[in-house]
Amino acid sequence: NAGVTQTPKFQVLKTGQSMTLQCAQDMNHNSMYWYRQDPGMGLRLIYYSASEGTTDKGEVPNGYNVSRLNKREFSLRLESAAPSQTSVYFCASSRTRTGENTEAFFGQGTRLTVV
Amino acid sequence: QQQVKQSPQSLIVQKGGISIINCAYENTAFDYFPWYQQFPGKGPALLIAIRPDVSEKKEGRFTISFNKSAKQFSLHIMDSQPGDSATYFCAASILGSARQLTFGSGTQLTVLP
Repeated sequence: NAGVTQTPKFQVLKTGQSMTLQCAQDMNHNSMYWYRQDPGMGLRLIYYSASEGTTDKGEVPNGYNVSRLNKREFSLRLESAAPSQTSVYFCASSRTRTGENTEAFFGQGTRLTVV
Repeated sequence: QQQVKQSPQSLIVQKGGISIINCAYENTAFDYFPWYQQFPGKGPALLIAIRPDVSEKKEGRFTISFNKSAKQFSLHIMDSQPGDSATYFCAASILGSARQLTFGSGTQLTVLP
């Protein structure tokens, strides 16, 4: 199984450009997440989707939008990229049910540089 | 405001030694505490996790110790190996509609041969 697949793996953008990061999972998970990883700050939640048709803000949502296209796919869009959005972005998914401990599976990341 | 504080930032251990990484949390509503391991260029992967109704959980060479009253938990890696060299993240979560994780800042572990 591929698990969680992110595209692209690397991207360089100019300030003000827009782009969409794609994420797809093949584990039939109902919940999906976008995190960003910055040195010394761990991973911080940008947006999440508890189930198909719902999305919610995380800790650092400003400058981002998301779309839960279907159960498999969850995209992250930067409308006008800024140097502060230079980071490594991780998509994750989990089979979340109330009362259960369920593992979150992560993709391999997208390394984004905004110049 | 960082809800999960992790230390140390970096750790160097000799092969065969014990690696200890500590985390402290603030939100008493957290009820799931996983540890993730990340190798360079890869995404984090679940290593071991614990619920607050248990004080210790062991899986092979990896042990989580949990102190609910102190709001602290730690990862112990026994007989550390060079292959354990990676970045380790503690995290915390609340049972709810989804499994949103709050991560610590990470510890870069180097195990010398």
